[in-house]
Amino acid sequence: QQPVQSPQAVILREGEDAVINCSSSKALYSVHWYRQKHGEAPVFLMILLKGGEQKGHEKISASFNEKKQQSSLYLTASQLSYSGTYFCGTEPHGSSNTGKLIFGQGTTLQVKP
Amino acid sequence: EPEVTQTPSHQVTQMGQEVILRCVPISNHLYFYWYRQILGQKVEFLVSFYNNEISEKSEIFDDQFSVERPDGSNFTLKIRSTKLEDSAMYFCASSGRGPYNEQFFGPGTRLTVL
Repeated sequence: QQPVQSPQAVILREGEDAVINCSSSKALYSVHWYRQKHGEAPVFLMILLKGGEQKGHEKISASFNEKKQQSSLYLTASQLSYSGTYFCGTEPHGSSNTGKLIFGQGTTLQVKP
Repeated sequence: EPEVTQTPSHQVTQMGQEVILRCVPISNHLYFYWYRQILGQKVEFLVSFYNNEISEKSEIFDDQFSVERPDGSNFTLKIRSTKLEDSAMYFCASSGRGPYNEQFFGPGTRLTVL
């Protein structure tokens, strides 16, 4: 039931791009993306909904393939501030509609100068 | 910008003791959540709360756990008899519009059970 994220870790140079994937074995209604820096709370980045609606930061882009039950987060022209652990949180389709998020194990991104 | 606040930031307790973790959600939000994160691991759902009652709870949220909204602003998580394995960071989150909408997380309370 837990979504699987890949890769587990990424090291980039400033200005490089990265893609983080989140796959679920269950049909999803929404995928939420969060970034967490060490010792801090997760910060909301983006939500993607079944049907194509997206809500989030302008500089972050993501996709949601409902058929494949997969979402990808695109980080372009990375900056040092992008460093952190990225989590996807999923709301399975047909769930109890309580807002419960099931998180993946996280992808650690390190951006070096 | 409104934010979720949590107190205390760090709580140290002895095994078997009761602890209450406090949260003040964003003021016009109606949906509240507790999550926990064991050091170095993923964030895990504990409970969701709406309209003064629990709407869903996980297997982790057993009889030792309870939540309450004692007044119009606070949202608390109580652990009646703490165990060593309860040591974790506990995050409160709130949402203005419930399912399929962004949840805003508080800074967390680090609970250490000795």
